[in-house]
Amino acid sequence: RKEVEQDPGPFNVPEGATVAFNCTYSNSASQSFFWYRQDCRKEPKLLMSVYSSGNEDGRFTAQLNRASQYISLLIRDSKLSDSATYLCVVRGGRFGAGTRLTVKP
Amino acid sequence: EPEVTQTPSHQVTQMGQEVILRCVPISNHLYFYWYRQILGQKVEFLVSFYNNEISEKSEIFDDQFSVERPDGSNFTLKIRSTKLEDSAMYFCAILQGAGEQYFGPGTRLTVT
Repeated sequence: RKEVEQDPGPFNVPEGATVAFNCTYSNSASQSFFWYRQDCRKEPKLLMSVYSSGNEDGRFTAQLNRASQYISLLIRDSKLSDSATYLCVVRGGRFGAGTRLTVKP
Repeated sequence: EPEVTQTPSHQVTQMGQEVILRCVPISNHLYFYWYRQILGQKVEFLVSFYNNEISEKSEIFDDQFSVERPDGSNFTLKIRSTKLEDSAMYFCAILQGAGEQYFGPGTRLTVT
């Protein structure tokens, strides 16, 4: 089993839609979880950390489910500018393969 | 957000040649990472480096690779004898706070 697995995507959604990504991890001892976004041919940029109690930053909500070993990212009211690849990261640099999101007008 | 620069932005080299990729954080950091991303593929962990020592490395990071911090600020990744399959984007990242990593803009390595 891969250490970090993500929904393969791609996700193509209209503007204003709500979209959710999941990411599962295999190492139950993992303590740190993050979501990054990566634009084409650019470096990954931190979107948000994922806290045990769940956390929200504007239109973005991150959740952690330790029992089932997955994290999720919810994007509400999608904007065209949200189009990117979303990467989950677990424990010191283990990246998922990424989920590509395209928001269309 | 801490700033990280990488040089060169693009390096073209012939197979078998040595390359050195550089990473320069603007402020002092002790914990660094190197990653590679082959075009169209996932970001792959290569090595983490803490306080001038390798703290963890992946199976990709074989004897062809080495890292060092030669002057206390620059952080380098050396590939001794490049292969065609080393062509990729190479990102360095610094660790901050509760485990967040901040990435440099990357070096695109093309091996011909």
